[in-house]
Amino acid sequence: DVQLQESGPGLVKPSQSLSLTCTVTGYSITSDYAWNWIRQFPGNKLEWMGYISYSGSTSYNPSLKSRISITRDTSKNQFFLQLNSVTTEDTATYYCARFDWGIFDYWGQGTTLTVSS
Amino acid sequence: QIVLTQSPAIMSASPGEKVTISCSASSSVSYMYWYQQKPGSSPKPWIYRTSNLTSGVPARFSGSGSGTSYSLTISSMEAEDAATYYCQQYHSYPFTFGSGTKLEIK
Repeated sequence: DVQLQESGPGLVKPSQSLSLTCTVTGYSITSDYAWNWIRQFPGNKLEWMGYISYSGSTSYNPSLKSRISITRDTSKNQFFLQLNSVTTEDTATYYCARFDWGIFDYWGQGTTLTVSS
Repeated sequence: QIVLTQSPAIMSASPGEKVTISCSASSSVSYMYWYQQKPGSSPKPWIYRTSNLTSGVPARFSGSGSGTSYSLTISSMEAEDAATYYCQQYHSYPFTFGSGTKLEIK
């Protein structure tokens, strides 16, 4: 079965960069699909952040384009989120998810990130 | 970007009651997708391409719509259906979600 698992620092200071890892088991991220980061703010609004495709191409939400980078390590079947210059408004639960032509069909359980000094 | 507006934001229904949740898009989209989320859990895919139930979703759920107006319907509310439901589009980038409808059981 396909499983995704996020990991990250939990707490980041304002102006720093955040780095999160999504470890995928049960499916190779180089076989197919797009591998995404989605966040959910306090209050429950969901925001799609971007993806890295099975071929390595990326697409980002324009609202984040100057701060975001999604990369991968195919040997470990992991993909990563880096978000620069974070502020308190980046406090959210971050999910990784697989995208299958329209729907996010597998999600991780989410990792909570707090931006605070 | 395409803005998805859900209504109502919060609602409650009695067991056996019919429930309809609406999702209005700021521009026409080809399909709508729906998720169910319960507290402490990640969203679960619920309905894809407007009207197709994902595996395991009870048949009392249905989806419909076209253009800018879509809906999720529960024919007969059950306690386990209490959750927040989100619509989502991928017609154009960036992918966007509705603000959610919290459905409570009376």
